[in-house]
Amino acid sequence: GENVEQHPSTLSVQEGDSAVIKCTYSDSASNYFPWYKQELGKRPQLIIDIRSNVGEKKDQRIAVTLNKTAKHFSLHITETQPEDSAVYFCAASIGGNDMRFGAGTRLTVKP
Amino acid sequence: DVKVTQSSRYLVKRTGEKVFLECVQDMDHENMFWYRQDPGLGLRLIYFSYDVKMKEKGDIPEGYSVSREKKERFSLILESASTNQTSMYLCASSLGGSHKETQYFGPGTRLLVL
Repeated sequence: GENVEQHPSTLSVQEGDSAVIKCTYSDSASNYFPWYKQELGKRPQLIIDIRSNVGEKKDQRIAVTLNKTAKHFSLHITETQPEDSAVYFCAASIGGNDMRFGAGTRLTVKP
Repeated sequence: DVKVTQSSRYLVKRTGEKVFLECVQDMDHENMFWYRQDPGLGLRLIYFSYDVKMKEKGDIPEGYSVSREKKERFSLILESASTNQTSMYLCASSLGGSHKETQYFGPGTRLLVL
């Protein structure tokens, strides 16, 4: 089955800096790659996703890139703010059914 | 707004007890999922269901079973609870189909097995 690895496990940045989180996946058939944000004590929520027919997608300060050949995808957050502090999870699936998540990255943005 | 609810926020059970965790969604979603969340291990898929009475094993189904008798309800059953099943359990649902993969999560049930 699919295996998703996520790095780093923790990331600390200064407010205003950029943050990058990287994930790799094992199943070349995977075609859907979402990113979820989980704030402390809250449920995970989708922040951005990308499908295998697209190499990059951007939504304001958040962007995701996908390299199908290398089987890795990354989340980029620019101009980080304290409210970006959370745990971020990447995931991979074939059509969204059997989603597999990475272990998570705890991002801390220092004011 | 999609609403996914779970029957309990906190639960304390004894080793060997049978435990039922229930999840209900109100958006007529086809797919429903059960995960457990442990520090450093992320979200691990226990079971998922893509239709009523259908179920598929995830990565860690041992010690668990599920039931989906109605579309809106997906139950996770711990047949004989053990201390290593102490965890946060998250339910999720998705509409299903192309461009409808977004999973909506419930608030979670924190289970402590003594």
